[in-house]
Amino acid sequence: QVQLVQSGAEVKKPGASVKVSCKTSGYTFTGYYMHWVRQAPGQGLEWMGRINPNSGGTDYAQKFQGRVTMTRDTSISTAYMELSRLRSDDTAVYYCARDNGGMPDYWGQGTLVTVSS
Amino acid sequence: QTVVTQEPSLTVSPGGTVTLTCASSTGAVTSGYYPNWFQQKPGQAPRALIYSTSNKHSWTPARFSGSLLGGKAALTLSGVQPEDEAEYYCLLYYGGGQLVFGGGTKLTVL
Repeated sequence: QVQLVQSGAEVKKPGASVKVSCKTSGYTFTGYYMHWVRQAPGQGLEWMGRINPNSGGTDYAQKFQGRVTMTRDTSISTAYMELSRLRSDDTAVYYCARDNGGMPDYWGQGTLVTVSS
Repeated sequence: QTVVTQEPSLTVSPGGTVTLTCASSTGAVTSGYYPNWFQQKPGQAPRALIYSTSNKHSWTPARFSGSLLGGKAALTLSGVQPEDEAEYYCLLYYGGGQLVFGGGTKLTVL
């Protein structure tokens, strides 16, 4: 069965970077794009971007251009999302979600990133 | 900046029918926006319900259906169950690999 298991919660100071991992199993990792979505406390879902695990090509939401980097390691079927120059309003749960036909279908359990001085 | 608008909240009685909508600031929503719908319960990750306007995932209950209605994407729940109380989000595709979520609809079953 398809599984996406994300790394554990992180606490970061403003200005730092965070890298969240998403380890996959149950399907061919390079056959499906991976999306990253975040959700601030009490707020809605926000699409951040996606990566093609086969080519490494990425599409980022304009809001995150220049601050987000999505990468992958095909040898261990894992996708990564790194967000730099963190601010307090980056405090959120970050989700990875497998693509199916251009949209997310299977989701990871989420990773809470807290930005606080 | 593109904005996707949903009803902030709706209330439905058990066994009733309710329709949630999803509008785009760019104009009428068509099948080319590939509307998707997701359900999220408190403390859980979102769960995909509907893709490409009206297609159901294998796990989607039959009482959920998607359509286009009056220039918007729509999610209809027929025969609502108490466990359907949740937040519902639509997601639209804007080309160039860009996706935008709606603000979500909090559905109360009362």
